[in-house]
Amino acid sequence: AQSVAQPEDQVNVAEGNPLTVKCTYSVSGNPYLFWYVQYPNRGLQFLLKYITGDNLVKGSYGFEAEFNKSQTSFHLKKPSALVSDSALYFCAVSPFPNAGKSTFGDGTTLTVKP
Amino acid sequence: SQTIHQWPATLVQPVGSPLSLECTVEGTSNPNLYWYRQAAGRGLQLLFYSVGIGQISSEVPQNLSASRPQDRQFILSSKKLLLSDSGFYLCAWIRTGGGANYGYTFGSGTRLTVV
Repeated sequence: AQSVAQPEDQVNVAEGNPLTVKCTYSVSGNPYLFWYVQYPNRGLQFLLKYITGDNLVKGSYGFEAEFNKSQTSFHLKKPSALVSDSALYFCAVSPFPNAGKSTFGDGTTLTVKP
Repeated sequence: SQTIHQWPATLVQPVGSPLSLECTVEGTSNPNLYWYRQAAGRGLQLLFYSVGIGQISSEVPQNLSASRPQDRQFILSSKKLLLSDSGFYLCAWIRTGGGANYGYTFGSGTRLTVV
């Protein structure tokens, strides 16, 4: 079985400050990890993925994520937050590198204040 | 380019009525297709997935069913809706085969309210 935990329902940061959205995972095999963003009443949009290789993964809109195998974490980060980054963020884990049958976390609402 | 279409965008249905939500993908062939439900704007629950025409796998026993009558068409149905079927339904696809992968590509969703 696989699972994902996003321990924070809400993250608030000021514009220009760095942001971190936390994610921990549990999987029996190799972890294939993904981050998505959702704007109100819309479908999710893919941000980035970790399949193998470098622990720091860069994705869309200036986001990056750090894979830490020993801590089973895959935290989403951005050096300088924008107000337009405010949205709902989901971490997901899949038993397949193509994301099939992904299990999603409950989501973290990011609010960036001007 | 590949696109995914989902309709309708919103739907209000009475308890006991039937349901049909449709999802189509353009610009690709033999996609893997998925139905997820998002309750209360939070986590997603995988309902069904399909790796080919007529091939449906159900992840959660429930009041819903799915069908894939064509390669790029995925339908979510119910014969009699329950109040608990309310939610935001998302269709998604992923590429099969080699090459770069980008995780799921989601449709814009259907907001279903059962009254």
